Amino acid sequence: ELKVEQNPLFLSMQEGKNYTIYCNYSTTSDRLYWYRQDPGKSLESLFVLLSNGAVKQEGRLMASLDTKARLSTLHITAAVHDLSATYFCAVLMADKLIFGTGTRLQVFP
Amino acid sequence: NAGVMQNPRHLVRRRGQEARLRCSPMKGHSHVYWYRQLPEEGLKFMVYLQKENIIDESGMPKERFSAEFPKEGPSILRIQQVVRGDSAAYFCASSRLVPNTGELFFGEGSRLTVL
Repeated sequence: ELKVEQNPLFLSMQEGKNYTIYCNYSTTSDRLYWYRQDPGKSLESLFVLLSNGAVKQEGRLMASLDTKARLSTLHITAAVHDLSATYFCAVLMADKLIFGTGTRLQVFP
Repeated sequence: NAGVMQNPRHLVRRRGQEARLRCSPMKGHSHVYWYRQLPEEGLKFMVYLQKENIIDESGMPKERFSAEFPKEGPSILRIQQVVRGDSAAYFCASSRLVPNTGELFFGEGSRLTVL
């Protein structure tokens, strides 16, 4: 059974700081997705990583994928309050997405 | 192009009643997925459907839960004889192609509260 684990589960960080969220998964997959969810809202697609070594950047967020290590990272650069949300990674397995536990990010002044 | 539409957005039921949640995928999308999210938790896969076919229902509870995606009309997730533990947000997602060649787009969710 595929397990997808994220860490940390909770992250409180100061504006302007950098940090990385990690997503580990237990079986082979070469498709990984990152989503953002605001409280009470739906999921917003951030990145789709389709191959080993893939790196994508959008604004202050950068995601990477290492399929050999079964690891994806979401790096936050110079955090701002608007980035406060819960971030999920999801791994493709047998035509469905299996989601990680989520990382709740709180950015404070 | 409207996104994935779910209704109702909020539903309150008493124990033992039935809940029906509807999902209209994005135009041109023929793959529908249902996920359940308990408070403070991640999304758990329930079922994957294509038009008139259930492709993968490995995440569906064995009893009381059913799903369909008819040739015409929305996909429906049906929960019979609801219990308090069914209280959750139920998200529908759709894709044009199988996900490994495209993205999954999520609806706003239906939040079920069982009294």
